[in-house]
Amino acid sequence: GENVEQHPSTLSVQEGDSAVIKCTYSDSASNYFPWYKQELGKGPQLIIDIRSNVGEKKDQRIAVTLNKTAKHFSLHITETQPEDSAVYFCAATAPDSISNFGNEKLTFGTGTRLTIIP
Amino acid sequence: EAQVTQNPRYLITVTGKKLTVTCSQNMNHEYMSWYRQDPGLGLRQIYYSMNVEVTDKGDVPEGYKVSRKEKRNFPLILESPSPNQTSLYFCASKIAYRGGNEQYFGPGTRLTVT
Repeated sequence: GENVEQHPSTLSVQEGDSAVIKCTYSDSASNYFPWYKQELGKGPQLIIDIRSNVGEKKDQRIAVTLNKTAKHFSLHITETQPEDSAVYFCAATAPDSISNFGNEKLTFGTGTRLTIIP
Repeated sequence: EAQVTQNPRYLITVTGKKLTVTCSQNMNHEYMSWYRQDPGLGLRQIYYSMNVEVTDKGDVPEGYKVSRKEKRNFPLILESPSPNQTSLYFCASKIAYRGGNEQYFGPGTRLTVT
């Protein structure tokens, strides 16, 4: 099955600087790569995602890049702010080969605790 | 407000005492899933359900049961909890069509088994 590795496990950056979190995946059939943000005491929330037919996607200060050949994808946060402090999870999904009924299973990375230093 | 709710949020219990964690969503989602989150291991899927009366095992189903009698509810049952089931549990739901990938997570249930 799919295996997703995420690095680093902890990351501290000065407010205003950029943060980069990297993930690698093992299943070349994976075609959907979401990033979730988990704030203290809350459930994960989707912040950005990318599909395998594009190489980069941006949403304001957040961007995700995908290198299908190398099987890795990264989250980039620019101009970091204190509210960016959270745990971030990457995930990968391979399409269900049996049905088209939306049973794409998410495999998560182990998480990165990002701390923004004021 | 569209949301996934879980109850209880915190639970301390003893080994062997049956418990149920409830999950409910108000988005009419077909797909629902349970995850456990442990330090250094990320989120691992326990069970999932594609629709009413359709459930299947995830990656770590041992010691858990689920049922899906109604579309909105997906309770997680621990028949005989053990200390290794001490964890943070999340319920999630999503639309079940190809490409409907965004999962909406509940706030979590922190379970301690002594």
